[in-house]
Amino acid sequence: NAGVTQTPKFQVLKTGQSMTLQCAQDMNHNSMYWYRQDPGMGLRLIYYSASEGTTDKGEVPNGYNVSRLNKREFSLRLESAAPSQTSVYFCASRVPGQGETQYFGPGTRLLVL
Amino acid sequence: QKEVEQDPGPLSVPEGAIVSLNCTYSNSAFQYFMWYRQYSRKGPELLMYTYSSGNKEDGRFTAQVDKSSKYISLFIRDSQPSDSATYLCAMNFGNEKLTFGTGTRLTIIP
Repeated sequence: NAGVTQTPKFQVLKTGQSMTLQCAQDMNHNSMYWYRQDPGMGLRLIYYSASEGTTDKGEVPNGYNVSRLNKREFSLRLESAAPSQTSVYFCASRVPGQGETQYFGPGTRLLVL
Repeated sequence: QKEVEQDPGPLSVPEGAIVSLNCTYSNSAFQYFMWYRQYSRKGPELLMYTYSSGNKEDGRFTAQVDKSSKYISLFIRDSQPSDSATYLCAMNFGNEKLTFGTGTRLTIIP
């Protein structure tokens, strides 16, 4: 089992460019999440998907869109990147029957110039 | 006021010491309480989770929850240099969303 995988590991964008962050899990989990992590701010939820075909906004959804392509894959899209979106992005999936805990991927470091 | 408060540190202790990491929270409806460890440039990994009040032990790690005081703790006994990391507390209402503390950076000095 690879767990939760994310691509790319690192990306540099110019302001106004678009990109899609990819996430996949092989644990057959229903729920998947996208977070961003910034110094002093902790992990903040951007969007989540409770099941295939559904998505919901989290705490900081502005400037992002998501797609739950199938049960395995959950992508995050930045349509017009801004310097404020420079961050480390983590994808996670929820482990059923373990206190709503979540299993995280290795992260994507994004720098927007 | 943030829902979950965590001292960011940094905290440095000598190898072999007992480490105490803490979080306070404001919403008494939180039900599940977790501790994650995050090494530099890695994703968070779950250490322990507890439901409601009480203690839970796993090897050198002990998690405590005091719901009456809205206070949770993680104790690390016989600390090792490999324990050097950022520790994040998290909690939820038994639904989809986790609320995280900002993390405490811990360094164990050999």
